[in-house]
Amino acid sequence: DVKVTQSSRYLVKRTGEKVFLECVQDMDHENMFWYRQDPGLGLRLIYFSYDVKMKEKGDIPEGYSVSREKKERFSLILESASTNQTSMYLCASSPPGPGADTQYFGPGTRLTVL
Amino acid sequence: GESVGLHLPTLSVQEGDNSIINCAYSNSASDYFIWYKQESGKGPQFIIDIRSNMDKRQGQRVTVLLNKTVKHLSLQIAATQPGDSAVYFCAEMSYNFNKFYFGSGTKLNVKP
Repeated sequence: DVKVTQSSRYLVKRTGEKVFLECVQDMDHENMFWYRQDPGLGLRLIYFSYDVKMKEKGDIPEGYSVSREKKERFSLILESASTNQTSMYLCASSPPGPGADTQYFGPGTRLTVL
Repeated sequence: GESVGLHLPTLSVQEGDNSIINCAYSNSASDYFIWYKQESGKGPQFIIDIRSNMDKRQGQRVTVLLNKTVKHLSLQIAATQPGDSAVYFCAEMSYNFNKFYFGSGTKLNVKP
């Protein structure tokens, strides 16, 4: 089975703090994704990566950056957390190739910014 | 931009009944569709998928129907069980644009 893990299930940070969300997958997938999930809005794509050291902006990249130093690990960084970044953050991975099919999700990190 | 939406935000069914969850999509060029199940406190879990060259696909107790004419997708769950209680949402993707777009979800409540 594909396993996608996220470093924290719940996180509370203060405004202005730098926040790191880590995601690790064990299926040697090339593609990895970061989404945020907010009530009534569905999943929105923040950033994605098709390969090590490669990243592309999703639909809402503002206020976020990412790092993909190793194939299995994709990190989401909030340089200076703000209250409007309070959300559920979901990491996903998928097999190689553009247009690759099913995305496998991690359990999510619920981030609260005070 | 594309939009993927659901007709009913909440659906309550009796245990043992069949459930139907609907999804409307706006991009006629979408090639691939997935239904996900998300239980409380967990990440989305793949249920079933369908490509645009098909109109029906069956899994274990689940069936996905695709009507490209009206851009409508549905998920049918047979003999609904309490363990089926969750939020279900659809996702669409166009291979040309290489990104998924997700609906906001329908909450399914199964009454014992």
